[in-house]
Amino acid sequence: TQLLEQSPQFLSIQEGENLTVYCNSSSVFSSLQWYRQEPGEGPVLLVTVVTGGEVKKLKRLTFQFGDARKDSSLHITAAQPGDTGLYLCGATEGNKLVFGAGTILRVKS
Amino acid sequence: DTAVSQTPKYLVTQMGNDKSIKCEQNLGHDTMYWYKQDSKKFLKIMFSYNNKELIINETVPNRFSPKSPDKAHLNLHINSLELGDSAVYFCASSPTGYMNTEAFFGQGTRLTVV
Repeated sequence: TQLLEQSPQFLSIQEGENLTVYCNSSSVFSSLQWYRQEPGEGPVLLVTVVTGGEVKKLKRLTFQFGDARKDSSLHITAAQPGDTGLYLCGATEGNKLVFGAGTILRVKS
Repeated sequence: DTAVSQTPKYLVTQMGNDKSIKCEQNLGHDTMYWYKQDSKKFLKIMFSYNNKELIINETVPNRFSPKSPDKAHLNLHINSLELGDSAVYFCASSPTGYMNTEAFFGQGTRLTVV
């Protein structure tokens, strides 16, 4: 059983569409991170959310941390081909950083 | 300058061989990690070192032996390679091993065992 459940696993959309990726858990976290990984590269941190209910924006990306700090979502507005990649949510369990299974996003032009 | 660098980027080898992957970080971080990413893109932690001390070993076969000569380096040696070891291996570092800290990843080493 994975600590972090991500959905959907795969998303293929047209340029200009909106999308939401979810990261859920039965555990409570003090913080949660979102990373993006492009082909042939390592994951790169996008954002860390810390406070329950917190909303952070990064250009067209909106990140939300659930009130109970068990879940998070990533919303992309007007997706562009450059958004294509693997999106990973991560959280600290004990003293290790663990990840969800990831969402592969493909944005077609 | 690359923050976390791994070598080699690609490694193709035969079953039964022994191989090593090297990792160096120039960020001054105390904690370094090895992750394995399988064909389904799942990123699973293997080892974590803090100031050259092993703090996490995630039930990895003992054919895998990490070595940290100093806190800037964490190498991974694999003995008697098996087909199932084929994956992308990522090295990462963070300022501490604790919460709210960003992990910086290397570019990965794609290991193919034939």
